[in-house]
Amino acid sequence: SQQGEEDPQALSIQEGENATMNCSYKTSINNLQWYRQNSGRGLVHLILIRSNEREKHSGRLRVTLDTSKKSSSLLITASRAADTASYFCATDRDDKIIFGKGTRLHILP
Amino acid sequence: KAGVTQTPRYLIKTRGQQVTLSCSPISGHRSVSWYQQTPGQGLQFLFEYFSETQRNKGNFPGRFSGRQFSNSRSEMNVSTLELGDSALYLCASSLAQRGGLNTGELFFGEGSRLTVL
Repeated sequence: SQQGEEDPQALSIQEGENATMNCSYKTSINNLQWYRQNSGRGLVHLILIRSNEREKHSGRLRVTLDTSKKSSSLLITASRAADTASYFCATDRDDKIIFGKGTRLHILP
Repeated sequence: KAGVTQTPRYLIKTRGQQVTLSCSPISGHRSVSWYQQTPGQGLQFLFEYFSETQRNKGNFPGRFSGRQFSNSRSEMNVSTLELGDSALYLCASSLAQRGGLNTGELFFGEGSRLTVL
């Protein structure tokens, strides 16, 4: 069963705009991670945020975590064509890392 | 440092056959996890191995099995294949942290795409 649910399921934006994806989860967590997957390829780790952190940055990525609402958001600033991919949040539950169904992001030229 | 290597990348089987997929983790990583990815169900956790022991298992039937060798390489096997087993099978390795709890970054291979006819 899924632990995290991403929202929206799909998102299309113009190159240069910012993209925001959200993730909600059900049970308490130790940390939350975001991954990117290009079509048919393996997943690539983007960023990990621990339960005692509220915000984290990595290059053009900004992740926030609100444990009271059991939600996280991933912001990609100044989007590029290469950002076209699916994005997944992942949380730990019962010592397993469980993934949501992902947000498909399409950057329009 | 070489990444996670999965073989074969693509394979086609028929119903009732069995298949074995292989995964070589990043050198020094002792934890290997397997996931099944389908359009309808997304990424589903299959199992995780650490030091040759299955540490966690997802909700899959007994037809799905795996093992890990002393060099941390892992294999998974699916017996009596069904059409619904068609999927991308992803392997991920990681460093075990905090007494063995696997809550850190996963490094994924490119996957083995299985088609069952």
